[in-house]
Amino acid sequence: KAGVTQTPRYLIKTRGQQVTLSCSPISGHRSVSWYQQTPGQGLQFLFEYFSETQRNKGNFPGRFSGRQFSNSRSEMNVSTLELGDSALYLCASSLSRGNNEQFFGPGTRLTVL
Amino acid sequence: DAKTTQPNSMESNEEEPVHLPCNHSTISGTDYIHWYRQLPSQGPEYVIHGLTSNVNNRMASLAIAEDRKSSTLILHRATLRDAAVYYCILRGVTQGGSEKLVFGKGTKLTVNP
Repeated sequence: KAGVTQTPRYLIKTRGQQVTLSCSPISGHRSVSWYQQTPGQGLQFLFEYFSETQRNKGNFPGRFSGRQFSNSRSEMNVSTLELGDSALYLCASSLSRGNNEQFFGPGTRLTVL
Repeated sequence: DAKTTQPNSMESNEEEPVHLPCNHSTISGTDYIHWYRQLPSQGPEYVIHGLTSNVNNRMASLAIAEDRKSSTLILHRATLRDAAVYYCILRGVTQGGSEKLVFGKGTKLTVNP
Protein backbone atom coordinates (compact mmCIF):
# COMPACT_ATOMS: atom_id res chain seq x y z
CA LYS A 1 0.00 0.00 0.00
CA ALA A 2 1.45 3.37 -1.00
CA GLY A 3 2.31 5.73 1.81
CA VAL A 4 1.44 9.38 2.23
CA THR A 5 2.79 11.44 -0.63
CA GLN A 6 3.51 15.13 -0.60
CA THR A 7 4.29 17.40 -3.52
CA PRO A 8 6.44 19.19 -4.19
CA ARG A 9 9.27 17.95 -1.98
CA TYR A 10 11.19 21.20 -2.18
CA LEU A 11 10.07 24.72 -2.91
CA ILE A 12 11.74 28.12 -2.96
CA LYS A 13 9.62 31.26 -2.86
CA THR A 14 10.16 34.93 -2.14
CA ARG A 15 8.50 37.07 0.49
CA GLY A 16 4.99 38.16 -0.36
CA GLN A 17 4.28 35.25 -2.68
CA GLN A 18 1.81 32.52 -1.95
CA VAL A 19 2.28 28.76 -2.05
CA THR A 20 0.11 25.66 -2.27
CA LEU A 21 1.27 22.31 -0.97
CA SER A 22 -0.41 19.03 -1.76
CA CYS A 23 -0.92 15.84 0.24
CA SER A 24 -2.30 12.50 -0.88
CA PRO A 25 -3.23 10.28 2.07
CA ILE A 26 -2.99 6.53 2.22
CA SER A 27 -5.85 4.94 0.29
CA GLY A 28 -8.87 4.59 2.55
CA HIS A 29 -7.68 7.15 5.07
CA ARG A 30 -10.16 9.94 5.62
CA SER A 31 -8.39 12.20 8.08
CA VAL A 32 -5.53 14.50 7.07
CA SER A 33 -3.53 16.69 9.43
CA TRP A 34 -0.83 19.24 8.68
CA TYR A 35 2.18 20.17 10.81
CA GLN A 36 4.94 22.73 10.53
CA GLN A 37 8.44 21.84 11.70
CA THR A 38 11.13 24.43 12.36
CA PRO A 39 14.38 24.18 14.34
CA GLY A 40 13.16 26.78 16.81
CA GLN A 41 9.55 25.74 17.41
CA GLY A 42 9.73 22.04 16.65
CA LEU A 43 6.66 20.27 15.33
CA GLN A 44 3.50 22.34 15.54
CA PHE A 45 -0.03 21.34 14.58
CA LEU A 46 -1.57 23.43 11.82
CA PHE A 47 -4.97 21.90 11.09
CA GLU A 48 -6.94 18.74 10.61
CA TYR A 49 -9.44 17.82 7.94
CA PHE A 50 -12.02 15.07 7.89
CA SER A 51 -14.82 14.62 5.38
CA GLU A 52 -13.82 17.83 3.61
CA THR A 53 -14.31 19.86 6.80
CA GLN A 54 -11.71 21.50 8.99
CA ARG A 55 -12.13 19.87 12.41
CA ASN A 56 -9.30 21.39 14.38
CA LYS A 57 -6.96 24.32 13.95
CA GLY A 58 -3.66 25.20 15.56
CA ASN A 59 -2.43 28.62 16.60
CA PHE A 60 -1.40 29.99 13.22
CA PRO A 61 -2.42 33.21 11.46
CA GLY A 62 -5.16 33.28 8.85
CA ARG A 63 -2.51 33.32 6.10
CA PHE A 64 -2.40 29.57 6.59
CA SER A 65 -5.39 27.77 5.17
CA GLY A 66 -6.26 24.41 3.79
CA ARG A 67 -8.91 22.26 2.27
CA GLN A 68 -9.76 18.65 1.67
CA PHE A 69 -11.32 17.16 -1.42
CA SER A 70 -13.88 14.39 -1.72
CA ASN A 71 -11.12 11.86 -2.42
CA SER A 72 -9.48 12.88 0.91
CA ARG A 73 -6.56 14.58 -0.81
CA SER A 74 -5.66 17.81 0.91
CA GLU A 75 -3.95 21.06 0.08
CA MET A 76 -2.60 23.76 2.30
CA ASN A 77 -2.03 27.31 1.21
CA VAL A 78 0.14 30.02 2.69
CA SER A 79 -0.42 33.54 1.42
CA THR A 80 1.84 36.58 1.73
CA LEU A 81 4.85 34.49 2.63
CA GLU A 82 7.22 35.68 5.35
CA LEU A 83 10.80 34.61 6.01
CA GLY A 84 9.61 32.83 9.15
CA ASP A 85 7.41 30.53 7.10
CA SER A 86 10.51 28.66 5.96
CA ALA A 87 9.97 25.19 7.37
CA LEU A 88 9.30 21.56 6.70
CA TYR A 89 5.55 21.06 6.20
CA LEU A 90 4.38 17.60 7.09
CA CYS A 91 1.12 15.93 6.24
CA ALA A 92 -0.24 12.95 8.18
CA SER A 93 -3.18 10.71 7.42
CA SER A 94 -5.19 8.35 9.57
CA LEU A 95 -8.09 6.01 9.03
CA SER A 96 -10.59 8.12 10.93
CA ARG A 97 -10.69 10.46 13.90
CA GLY A 98 -9.69 9.60 17.44
CA ASN A 99 -6.72 7.81 18.93
CA ASN A 100 -5.52 6.34 15.69
CA GLU A 101 -2.03 5.86 14.39
CA GLN A 102 -1.01 8.69 12.12
CA PHE A 103 1.09 8.07 9.05
CA PHE A 104 3.34 10.92 8.02
CA GLY A 105 4.58 11.86 4.59
CA PRO A 106 8.16 12.92 3.86
CA GLY A 107 7.26 16.60 3.98
CA THR A 108 7.68 19.62 1.74
CA ARG A 109 10.72 21.76 2.48
CA LEU A 110 9.71 25.40 1.90
CA THR A 111 12.37 28.11 1.76
CA VAL A 112 11.28 31.73 1.69
CA LEU A 113 13.89 34.22 0.48
CA ASP B 1 -2.95 20.26 26.34
CA ALA B 2 -1.24 17.94 28.78
CA LYS B 3 2.55 18.11 28.68
CA THR B 4 5.30 15.55 28.77
CA THR B 5 8.91 15.85 29.91
CA GLN B 6 11.70 13.92 28.26
CA PRO B 7 15.50 14.10 28.46
CA ASN B 8 16.99 16.09 25.61
CA SER B 9 19.34 13.34 24.56
CA MET B 10 20.43 9.79 25.33
CA GLU B 11 23.14 7.52 24.08
CA SER B 12 23.21 3.79 23.65
CA ASN B 13 25.43 1.12 22.18
CA GLU B 14 24.35 -1.08 19.35
CA GLU B 15 22.55 -4.30 20.35
CA GLU B 16 21.98 -3.08 23.90
CA PRO B 17 18.54 -2.28 25.36
CA VAL B 18 17.46 1.34 25.56
CA HIS B 19 15.01 2.76 28.06
CA LEU B 20 13.58 6.13 27.07
CA PRO B 21 11.73 7.81 29.96
CA CYS B 22 8.79 10.19 29.81
CA ASN B 23 7.12 12.06 32.66
CA HIS B 24 3.51 13.12 32.36
CA SER B 25 2.42 14.02 35.86
CA THR B 26 -0.68 15.93 34.67
CA ILE B 27 -2.07 13.02 32.67
CA SER B 28 -5.83 12.61 32.89
CA GLY B 29 -7.67 9.34 33.16
CA THR B 30 -8.61 9.27 29.49
CA ASP B 31 -5.24 10.26 28.03
CA TYR B 32 -3.45 7.70 25.91
CA ILE B 33 0.35 7.69 25.83
CA HIS B 34 1.72 7.63 22.28
CA TRP B 35 5.29 7.41 21.07
CA TYR B 36 6.49 8.55 17.70
CA ARG B 37 10.02 8.79 16.36
CA GLN B 38 11.54 10.85 13.63
CA LEU B 39 14.53 9.55 11.74
CA PRO B 40 16.80 12.07 10.05
CA SER B 41 15.24 13.65 6.98
CA GLN B 42 11.96 11.78 7.41
CA GLY B 43 8.51 12.47 8.78
CA PRO B 44 7.59 11.11 12.22
CA GLU B 45 6.76 7.44 12.50
CA TYR B 46 4.34 5.82 14.94
CA VAL B 47 6.04 3.50 17.43
CA ILE B 48 3.52 2.39 20.05
CA HIS B 49 0.74 3.58 22.32
CA GLY B 50 -1.03 2.47 25.48
CA LEU B 51 -3.47 3.50 28.19
CA THR B 52 -2.79 1.60 31.40
CA SER B 53 -1.25 -1.79 30.70
CA ASN B 54 2.19 -2.44 29.31
CA VAL B 55 2.20 -2.90 25.54
CA ASN B 56 4.46 -4.75 23.16
CA ASN B 57 4.76 -4.67 19.41
CA ARG B 58 7.40 -5.60 16.86
CA MET B 59 9.19 -2.28 17.29
CA ALA B 60 9.23 -1.71 21.02
CA SER B 61 7.63 -2.15 24.43
CA LEU B 62 5.86 0.49 26.47
CA ALA B 63 5.98 0.25 30.24
CA ILE B 64 3.45 2.45 32.03
CA ALA B 65 3.78 3.26 35.72
CA GLU B 66 0.95 2.19 37.96
CA ASP B 67 -0.01 5.80 38.69
CA ARG B 68 0.37 6.60 34.97
CA LYS B 69 2.48 9.66 35.74
CA SER B 70 5.41 8.26 33.80
CA SER B 71 6.18 5.74 31.10
CA THR B 72 9.21 4.18 29.47
CA LEU B 73 9.74 3.21 25.87
CA ILE B 74 11.95 0.15 25.63
CA LEU B 75 13.94 -0.77 22.55
CA HIS B 76 15.13 -4.27 23.30
CA ARG B 77 18.19 -4.29 21.05
CA ALA B 78 19.16 -0.93 19.62
CA THR B 79 20.41 -0.81 16.05
CA LEU B 80 21.99 2.06 14.18
CA ARG B 81 18.66 2.53 12.40
CA ASP B 82 17.03 3.37 15.73
CA ALA B 83 18.96 6.63 15.95
CA ALA B 84 16.18 9.21 15.90
CA VAL B 85 14.28 11.77 17.94
CA TYR B 86 11.68 10.02 20.08
CA TYR B 87 8.52 11.89 21.06
CA CYS B 88 6.22 10.99 23.92
CA ILE B 89 2.74 12.43 23.35
CA LEU B 90 -0.47 12.41 25.36
CA ARG B 91 -3.67 12.11 23.38
CA GLY B 92 -6.99 12.65 25.06
CA VAL B 93 -10.27 11.25 23.93
CA THR B 94 -12.24 14.29 22.90
CA GLN B 95 -15.83 14.40 21.77
CA GLY B 96 -15.92 13.64 18.08
CA GLY B 97 -12.30 12.62 18.09
CA SER B 98 -9.25 14.67 17.22
CA GLU B 99 -6.13 13.97 15.25
CA LYS B 100 -4.13 16.76 16.85
CA LEU B 101 -0.73 15.63 18.09
CA VAL B 102 1.09 17.95 20.49
CA PHE B 103 4.81 17.31 20.09
CA GLY B 104 7.35 18.28 22.72
CA LYS B 105 11.06 18.53 22.03
CA GLY B 106 11.60 14.79 22.26
CA THR B 107 14.70 12.79 23.11
CA LYS B 108 17.47 12.53 20.57
CA LEU B 109 18.81 8.99 20.70
CA THR B 110 22.33 8.34 19.49
CA VAL B 111 23.31 4.72 18.89
CA ASN B 112 27.02 3.97 18.91
CA PRO B 113 28.39 1.08 16.84
